[in-house]
Amino acid sequence: DAEITQSPRHKITETGRQVTLACHQTWNHNNMFWYRQDLGHGLRLIHYSYGVHDTNKGEVSDGYSVSRSNTEDLPLTLESAASSQTSVYFCASSDRTGGADTQYFGPGTRLTVL
Amino acid sequence: QKEVEQNSGPLSVPEGAIASLNCTYSDRGSQSFFWYRQYSGKSPELIMSIYSNGDKEDGRFTAQLNKASQYVSLLIRDSQPSDSATYLCAGDSSGGGADGLTFGKGTHLIIQP
Repeated sequence: DAEITQSPRHKITETGRQVTLACHQTWNHNNMFWYRQDLGHGLRLIHYSYGVHDTNKGEVSDGYSVSRSNTEDLPLTLESAASSQTSVYFCASSDRTGGADTQYFGPGTRLTVL
Repeated sequence: QKEVEQNSGPLSVPEGAIASLNCTYSDRGSQSFFWYRQYSGKSPELIMSIYSNGDKEDGRFTAQLNKASQYVSLLIRDSQPSDSATYLCAGDSSGGGADGLTFGKGTHLIIQP
């Protein structure tokens, strides 16, 4: 069955370190997204991609980067981790069934920055 | 700035009753709306999508959209304890482009046995 996976599921790192969170989907979706979820803020968009070599900034992109070298993967990199980036990160992918952009979420990565 | 507003709750409903969840949005150009269910510690799971004014029914769930009032709702009939979760309302961007969804902060629903 097609699916979307994230790794690692849990990560503890130190301030200033570079961290990369992986996202892999087998839906063959062109669109992929990264969100973070924090208490009191809900889900907020970090970066998104319409296809290979395409990336776009979302609402809270500062301190994050993505690259898209193939259809299946959209890794999220924290260039220099900060405590404010402690959060749960969700990857999503979408198709446009019926003209709408229906998004499907991965299981999430819980990141703690000490 | 685009906003989607939801009452955070908790909303407590007796088992077997109808649960009514509401959402308003600020982006008048939004075309499509989604309801996701999220259990504690889990990822959001799509429940319903709605694109046109009116009602859309799927089993025990009915989504309602009123674009003139910028209002979306989700009704859950015959509520079950397994429906206890946080429900997230989301809308797409103006013009329906695939540039992410704007989510509300969610309504915490509790179904009392």
